[in-house]
Amino acid sequence: DAGVIQSPRHEVTEMGQEVTLRCKPISGHDYLFWYRQTMMRGLELLIYFNNNVPIDDSGMPEDRFSAKMPNASFSTLKIQPSEPRDSAVYFCASRTSFHNEQFFGPGTRLTVL
Amino acid sequence: DQQVKQNSPSLSVQEGRISILNCDYTNSMFDYFLWYKKYPAEGPTFLISISSIKDKNEDGRFTVFLNKSAKHLSLHIVPSQPGDSAVYFCAASWKLTTGGSEKLVFGKGTKLTVNP
Repeated sequence: DAGVIQSPRHEVTEMGQEVTLRCKPISGHDYLFWYRQTMMRGLELLIYFNNNVPIDDSGMPEDRFSAKMPNASFSTLKIQPSEPRDSAVYFCASRTSFHNEQFFGPGTRLTVL
Repeated sequence: DQQVKQNSPSLSVQEGRISILNCDYTNSMFDYFLWYKKYPAEGPTFLISISSIKDKNEDGRFTVFLNKSAKHLSLHIVPSQPGDSAVYFCAASWKLTTGGSEKLVFGKGTKLTVNP
């Protein structure tokens, strides 16, 4: 199994640009989570899906952030417009319904100039 | 409002000695606890977990202890090895009334350095 796949691994963009982060969960996992890691706030949950349906988006910082899961093997996190304070490492994770353990992707390091 | 706290940002130990990483929580609804290890430029990887019905779980060199009355858990690594140098995150979850558990709440992590 390839594990959770995220792309791109690094993204550098300018303030005001749209950024799209991508995630492919582990096959057979029906939960998908998006996290953001910063020095100040640590690892914080942004949104999660169950069977492709968004369950809790209370962690999404503001309307500039949106996430979709069009099918069981793909999810996107979009920031439009991006701001320098969005600079962070964004992780995607997935798990099955039967286990609490989440499996994380390698992360996308986003830098907004 | 930090529900899971790791009060030591860093810890340094000698190779072969015991490493003890601590974690405190405030939400009495938490009933499942996990430890993750993270190397630079990688995602967190699951290490070990414990259910609230137990007070100890062991896996090789790693043991997690849970003290529910104190709302405290700890991860013991013995003997510590240089390859254990990483950031360790404590996480907690709770069952919903529907029976499933959903989110994990993470602490901010403790950076462990094991010196040769």
